[in-house]
Amino acid sequence: GDSVTQTEGLVTLTEGLPVMLNCTYQTIYSNPFLFWYVQHLNESPRLLLKSFTDNKRTEHQGFHATLHKSSSSFHLQKSSAQLSDSALYYCALSLTGGLSGKLTFGEGTQVTVIS
Amino acid sequence: EAAVTQSPRNKVAVTGGKVTLSCNQTNNHNNMYWYRQDTGHGLRLIHYSYGAGSTEKGDIPDGYKASRPSQENFSLILELATPSQTSVYFCASGDRDWGGASEQYFGPGTRLTVL
Repeated sequence: GDSVTQTEGLVTLTEGLPVMLNCTYQTIYSNPFLFWYVQHLNESPRLLLKSFTDNKRTEHQGFHATLHKSSSSFHLQKSSAQLSDSALYYCALSLTGGLSGKLTFGEGTQVTVIS
Repeated sequence: EAAVTQSPRNKVAVTGGKVTLSCNQTNNHNNMYWYRQDTGHGLRLIHYSYGAGSTEKGDIPDGYKASRPSQENFSLILELATPSQTSVYFCASGDRDWGGASEQYFGPGTRLTVL
């Protein structure tokens, strides 16, 4: 079945330094939709950004990601981490052409930004 | 702004007891979902629904039932609760979208402890 892999479970960053969270996926379908959701402490997950287009950069709230179908990757990046970026980040996969909108989530990366 | 509410927010149940978690959405979304969140596993889909009267099994449906009596309401039922079902449960809603790009809107979560 479909799967999403986030290799880092816990990441500690220093404020002002760049952020990169890894996400790779597996699916037999050629047109997946990839998402990043963010969950701050004691809150519920919310959409950060999403992409369908191969090799096109998507940006939102200072974060960006590019879907690379050749490597089945959708890494999340930010040029300069802020304390408020401390949160749990989920990469997720959806398949186009279906009514359900089901998401397959990775295990999540817990990010802590320190000063 | 999307509005998904859950009740109760916290629940302590005994092993073998019946537990019902309720979810209400005012977004008029067709699709609704139940997830559980556990450290090391991320968000896992239990059941989902395409609309009133429909329920579908997700990735981990064993031990759970679901009910969708109306567009707005979606319940998760644990007929015989077990300690392994101790978790945080999230309900979400989303539009029906053939493109697969539909954002999911999450409720605040229910923390369930089964003793």
